[in-house]
Amino acid sequence: KAGVTQTPRYLIKTRGQQVTLSCSPISGHRSVSWYQQTPGQGLQFLFEYFSETQRNKGNFPGRFSGRQFSNSRSEMNVSTLELGDSALYLCASSSGLAFSYNEQFFGPGTRLTVL
Amino acid sequence: QKEVEQNSGPLSVPEGAIASLNCTYSDRGSQSFFWYRQYSGKSPELIMFIYSNGDKEDGRFTAQLNKASQYVSLLIRDSQPSDSATYLCAVKEEAGGYNKLIFGAGTRLAVHP
Repeated sequence: KAGVTQTPRYLIKTRGQQVTLSCSPISGHRSVSWYQQTPGQGLQFLFEYFSETQRNKGNFPGRFSGRQFSNSRSEMNVSTLELGDSALYLCASSSGLAFSYNEQFFGPGTRLTVL
Repeated sequence: QKEVEQNSGPLSVPEGAIASLNCTYSDRGSQSFFWYRQYSGKSPELIMFIYSNGDKEDGRFTAQLNKASQYVSLLIRDSQPSDSATYLCAVKEEAGGYNKLIFGAGTRLAVHP
């Protein structure tokens, strides 16, 4: 079974620009969660999408948004980039069933650098 | 604010020894616990999960859970240099029954020959 894929793997942007990251979950998985990883804050939850609906959200500003398509692929968008948005953005795939254990499997990540 | 605490390390152990990694969590209602391994420059890789009190063994890895003490640990037997990585403890937030993992800062493990 193919794993989680993320594109692009690396991105360099400048302050004020916007960026879109893409994630394709493991086949059959309907949940995609997004996380931000920085040396200072560690791994922090951004949001989760299941069946094209956001059903959980972390404590990030509205500049961070996402969506999910009918094939479970998900995109994350960050608008008006700030230097502090430089991070590794990880998506995690799981079956997504409510009230189940739901092991999450991470993709390779997108390394975003904001200059 | 729900928290997951880990000693950042580094934890240095000789090859062949047992490495013991510890994690405490603040939410008494937590039910699902995960250990991820992350090599430098790579994404986290799920190595163990545990839901019930007690021990769960998988090869050289044993996860231990004590919900009364809000404590979860990971033991690595016969440690190898290839086990050198950062180990992340994650706790699933149960509110709403959906998917949100709260991660500890990770413990860096160094296994020396």
